[in-house]
Amino acid sequence: DTEVTQTPKHLVMGMTNKKSLKCEQHMGHRAMYWYKQKAKKPPELMFVYSYEKLSINESVPSRFSPECPNSSLLNLHLHALQPEDSALYLCASSQGAGGSSYNSPLHFGNGTRLTVT
Amino acid sequence: GENVEQHPSTLSVQEGDSAVIKCTYSDSASNYFPWYKQELGKRPQLIIDIRSNVGEKKDQRIAVTLNKTAKHFSLHITETQPEDSAVYFCVGNAGGTSYGKLTFGQGTILTVHP
Repeated sequence: DTEVTQTPKHLVMGMTNKKSLKCEQHMGHRAMYWYKQKAKKPPELMFVYSYEKLSINESVPSRFSPECPNSSLLNLHLHALQPEDSALYLCASSQGAGGSSYNSPLHFGNGTRLTVT
Repeated sequence: GENVEQHPSTLSVQEGDSAVIKCTYSDSASNYFPWYKQELGKRPQLIIDIRSNVGEKKDQRIAVTLNKTAKHFSLHITETQPEDSAVYFCVGNAGGTSYGKLTFGQGTILTVHP
């Protein structure tokens, strides 16, 4: 069992659709992350939220819109995606220590396998 | 941002042999050095990590060593077993105020032959 839950597990969407990916953790972690992973590649950092505020955006296209409604939830809103956006989207959380340089282990969810047609 | 280079990209060993994977980083302010294991079709999971005030850390068959002067850290797996077969990633971090900027290396595909 994973302590970070992602839904849905699989998603197929057309280029004109709007969909959302959801992530939830109840470990009291204060940092949450979105990573994108293509086949046979490492996870690529997209966004970091620290204490519910967006702290890092790795120049991600605006068709990806993150949202952190509270400390336990993280969403990724998708709109007008391209086929090359098909990938595994991984959510992660860590204890966090906003404002300092202390990093801590990432706890990953099982990911959402996204296919854009 | 932090840049990490990981070598080798593939590593094939016989069961019982040792395996060593090395990562080089660029940001001298980096202070946290984790290693993740990702089995096929599964999520990455932390296997060991080390902080910059420590030179070596061991957990059973797994160890990580850090050389801050040379800016590299290595994963050592002894007495390898077939279940160690997976992709291993080192992760670099930009220190200072860039909390959470954790960048994965390119990965090493480890295959342990029975």
